[in-house]
Amino acid sequence: SAVISQKPSRDICQRGTSLTIQCQVDSQVTMMFWYRQQPGQSLTLIATANQGSEATYESGFVIDKFPISRPNLTFSTLTVSNMSPEDSSIYLCSAGHSNTGELFFGEGSRLTVL
Amino acid sequence: DAKTTQPPSMDCAEGRAANLPCNHSTISGNEYVYWYRQIHSQGPQYIIHGLKNNETNEMASLIITEDRKSSTLILPHATLRDTAVYYCIVKGGGADGLTFGKGTHLIIQP
Repeated sequence: SAVISQKPSRDICQRGTSLTIQCQVDSQVTMMFWYRQQPGQSLTLIATANQGSEATYESGFVIDKFPISRPNLTFSTLTVSNMSPEDSSIYLCSAGHSNTGELFFGEGSRLTVL
Repeated sequence: DAKTTQPPSMDCAEGRAANLPCNHSTISGNEYVYWYRQIHSQGPQYIIHGLKNNETNEMASLIITEDRKSSTLILPHATLRDTAVYYCIVKGGGADGLTFGKGTHLIIQP
């Protein structure tokens, strides 16, 4: 199993600013992903965080808006840039091993943009 | 990844078995069936997964039909803490992320 810690757990931000969310895993994992969950909705995959290289983004998400870093096997960051109220969501980090297919999730970071 | 179809909501009495169905008629031979749940205000939690054989763990049982076009997640003795949204996800092997549908909102009634 893996325990995933996210910081901050919640934040209130002003329009036009940027926020970086950190994700720390308690063990080395092969896979790390970032998801968004808008109010009352299911989870949407934003991107795969690749260690030491550029993230792989899903359709509708771009690097300029959601830059992602993954410097090692246990840590990743997601930045939400130039925020607008439409970015108000819960952002979740997940991680796991490709040989098991099982993913573990953090508790999420609840972002409110005013 | 194959699409899945789940009922939007279900009720179950506390102490009874909760049987959550999932249809995945377009599943291909190398795709697994995964079940996750999300309790309110928490991140999703892995429950169980299988390829073609029935699986059981400490949380639940997974019954996959012989043609693999549908499956049922069974919570043998539901408690109020099992109230959550349950997601059935079909995914091949490899390092791809999971694609979540709308899931089934299971409400356990006292």
